[in-house]
Amino acid sequence: DTGVSQNPRHKITKRGQNVTFRCDPISEHNRLYWYRQTLGQGPEFLTYFQNEAQLEKSRLLSDRFSAERPKGSFSTLEIQRTEQGDSAMYLCASSLFKTGVDTQYFGPGTRLTVL
Amino acid sequence: GESVGLHLPTLSVQEGDNSIINCAYSNSASDYFIWYKQESGKGPQFIIDIRSNMDKRQGQRVTVLLNKTVKHLSLQIAATQPGDSAVYFCAEGGGTSYGKLTFGQGTILTVHP
Repeated sequence: DTGVSQNPRHKITKRGQNVTFRCDPISEHNRLYWYRQTLGQGPEFLTYFQNEAQLEKSRLLSDRFSAERPKGSFSTLEIQRTEQGDSAMYLCASSLFKTGVDTQYFGPGTRLTVL
Repeated sequence: GESVGLHLPTLSVQEGDNSIINCAYSNSASDYFIWYKQESGKGPQFIIDIRSNMDKRQGQRVTVLLNKTVKHLSLQIAATQPGDSAVYFCAEGGGTSYGKLTFGQGTILTVHP
């Protein structure tokens, strides 16, 4: 399978614990995006990388959230001191950005439940 | 964006009918628009995209229409099949928001055999 992959697919944690999610983009895609989706809503942008550089972060991304893409390939999203409001589907997408074209392909998501 | 809760617009059609799903976008500076299909428990799946210098683009069984004057986007699905049942989202990007996509509310499409 050459699509975007995410692990784990499901995560249940207790409030106050830290969690980390991983995203592996489509090979050779230079951009990687994180979104969050709650029930009944469209995905909301969190942050994105072009190669190793984090180019933009949403105001939704509080200081408890951190994302990295150290070698310009896979990325991790860490949430520290989880809260019940963090329960959501966390989606990763990747794209091969060229001038004027930035089609984003999504992974299956990681569903986080904070008890 | 504002929360609209769980009350997504719905569209019910019979198998073989044509479906039209509409979307109003918010940013007049957006120059790139995408339609995604999302099935339960899965990530959004790319369907078709269109740039602002076009007003129509066709794919396999799908057509996207863009009306920049009224900031409206539509997705037409020909000969709708039960496998087309899903939530459909439009998304806008580009312009001053290059990189991130802003998603619309979503429409639930149900196709009855």
